[in-house]
Amino acid sequence: DADVTQTPRNRITKTGKRIMLECSQTKGHDRMYWYRQDPGLGLRLIYYSFDVKDINKGEISDGYSVSRQAQAKFSLSLESAIPNQTALYFCATGATSGAYNEQFFGPGTRLTVL
Amino acid sequence: QKEVEQNSGPLSVPEGAIASLNCTYSDRGSQSFFWYRQYSGKSPELIMFIYSNGDKEDGRFTAQLNKASQYVSLLIRDSQPSDSATYLCAVNPGGYNKLIFGAGTRLAVHP
Repeated sequence: DADVTQTPRNRITKTGKRIMLECSQTKGHDRMYWYRQDPGLGLRLIYYSFDVKDINKGEISDGYSVSRQAQAKFSLSLESAIPNQTALYFCATGATSGAYNEQFFGPGTRLTVL
Repeated sequence: QKEVEQNSGPLSVPEGAIASLNCTYSDRGSQSFFWYRQYSGKSPELIMFIYSNGDKEDGRFTAQLNKASQYVSLLIRDSQPSDSATYLCAVNPGGYNKLIFGAGTRLAVHP
């Protein structure tokens, strides 16, 4: 079974719709991250969380919100989707005990906003 | 100036050759450095990390770090067509518990 899972894997939605992307992990890691990836721009950090009560904005948080429901679950919401939010979204996890801040990625969600 | 820079490629090498991928970073306080491999449409997969100056070898892969010059490289020996992917360099800036990613270098290994 995959250590980090994301649902849905693909989603097509319309401008203005609210959408939630979900991430679950069985790695026992306390840190969780949401990234988006666009061609030529690499991975950009949206939000990150170091435990259930800790939420931090990344470099591109505008238009997004997150919820850390449990140590193993971290959801990303687009309150009112717009076409330039079309991208590949990745959830990642990491352990505080990890000495070098390595991160492990889920399979990704391909989101298209029409 | 981007914080982590990589040549976008594509870097084309023949099968069996050594592929050399380079990355430069701007934050002198950066503490740890990572190489991820990403196949088209798939998620990044961690293949190497390094935190001390010098070389670190793992199978066909060697990561090299030079903090004075602020660059990190990845060598792939005996390149195989299955190594064809985009390689992402990531840096952990000093004092921050997050990674900064480069845009990646696309590697193409041809038979």
